[in-house]
Amino acid sequence: IAGITQAPTSQILAAGRRMTLRCTQDMRHNAMYWYRQDLGLGLRLIHYSNTAGTTGKGEVPDGYSVSRANTDDFPLTLASAVPSQTSVYFCASSIDRNSPLHFGNGTRLTVT
Amino acid sequence: EDQVTQSPEALRLQEGESSSLNCSYTVSGLRGLFWYRQDPGKGPEFLFTLYSAGEEKEKERLKATLTKKESFLHITAPKPEDSATYLCAVQVIDDMRFGAGTRLTVKP
Repeated sequence: IAGITQAPTSQILAAGRRMTLRCTQDMRHNAMYWYRQDLGLGLRLIHYSNTAGTTGKGEVPDGYSVSRANTDDFPLTLASAVPSQTSVYFCASSIDRNSPLHFGNGTRLTVT
Repeated sequence: EDQVTQSPEALRLQEGESSSLNCSYTVSGLRGLFWYRQDPGKGPEFLFTLYSAGEEKEKERLKATLTKKESFLHITAPKPEDSATYLCAVQVIDDMRFGAGTRLTVKP
């Protein structure tokens, strides 16, 4: 089934540890995104990529980094996790920046 | 600053009781308004895109409308399976801003 695969589905992480959230899409979409979803705040954009080889900062990029080596993969790295990064993280993709987003089922991350 | 506000935060309906969800926005350069449905433990699922004031889109029991400052998601004769969180988002230059969502519960 075509779509977006995120891994892991959940993770408990000690503060200060490094963590990479994985995201793979098989729809050959050009644009990919990382959002975090927190209760009462809605979805907030962390980083995006318009096409392979390019990335950009969203609304809340601090403490996160991304790379886009190819069309299908868009990993999100937390270099040194802090408790405020406890959230549900969603990866999404779209044909282009003005098209509807297709979302994965999220990674629930708890930083202790 | 671009803002998207959804109301109410939560809505409880009896099966068959029609109602509307509101999404108001203050953005510069609106390129489109999107509605998504999100079930617990899942990612949002796309429902509609609206581009200009006066536009309407329908899908089963849902109808989305757009004015210059807000959008409505009308739910006609809802069923329990319509229970979900409904998110609206506005596309501006290089960003899609989401509202916090309306959590809809439809009781049988």
